[in-house]
Amino acid sequence: QVQLVESGGGVVQPGRSLRLSCAASGFTFTTYGMHWVRQAPGKGLEWVAVIYYDGGNKYYADSVKGRFTISRDNSKNTLDLQMNSLRAEDTAVYYCARSLYSTSSRPCLDYWGQGTLVTVFS
Amino acid sequence: QSALTQPASVSGSPGQSITISCTGTSSDVGGYNYVSWYQQHPGKAPKPIIYDVSDRPSGVSDRFSGSKSGNTASLTISGLQAEDEADYYCSSYTSSSTSVFGGGTQLTVL
Repeated sequence: QVQLVESGGGVVQPGRSLRLSCAASGFTFTTYGMHWVRQAPGKGLEWVAVIYYDGGNKYYADSVKGRFTISRDNSKNTLDLQMNSLRAEDTAVYYCARSLYSTSSRPCLDYWGQGTLVTVFS
Repeated sequence: QSALTQPASVSGSPGQSITISCTGTSSDVGGYNYVSWYQQHPGKAPKPIIYDVSDRPSGVSDRFSGSKSGNTASLTISGLQAEDEADYYCSSYTSSSTSVFGGGTQLTVL
């Protein structure tokens, strides 16, 4: 069965960095695009970034562009999100999600992880 | 990348139908037939219920249906049931090759 397990969340001070990972299993990781979506406490969903199946295309929300980097290691079936220059407003549960498509940013996300909490706090 | 506009809350009685709107612009909702809807129960990950305006994923009840007119997409839930009480989010592809979510709608089943 498809499983997505996020890790790497925690408490970090503003301006510092954090790296999230998502371990994928139960499907052929190399043929699917992957997204990160976040949800601030008590708030709605916010799309963060997408990476196509081969890592060749990456797109970001304006709110994280230039600070966050999405990447994947298809040999290890892992998806990462490097988060730099963190701000209080980046505090959220971060979900990784599988796309139905290998090369599209269309928001057709069929499987989601349970999320990892990032708290940016001084 | 402004969030799509959804009503903050809607409510209905068991057996009734409700509709949740999702308004964007010609650069997202109006420009593409790539609107998805997600259901989220408290403390849970979102679950997809509609893809590409009106396609239901396998296993999703046919009580859920989607449509679009211009810059506004809609989710209709017919025959409301207690377990439908949840938050609902729309999402659209954008002209920047990104995605954007709506602010979410809390559905209360009276």
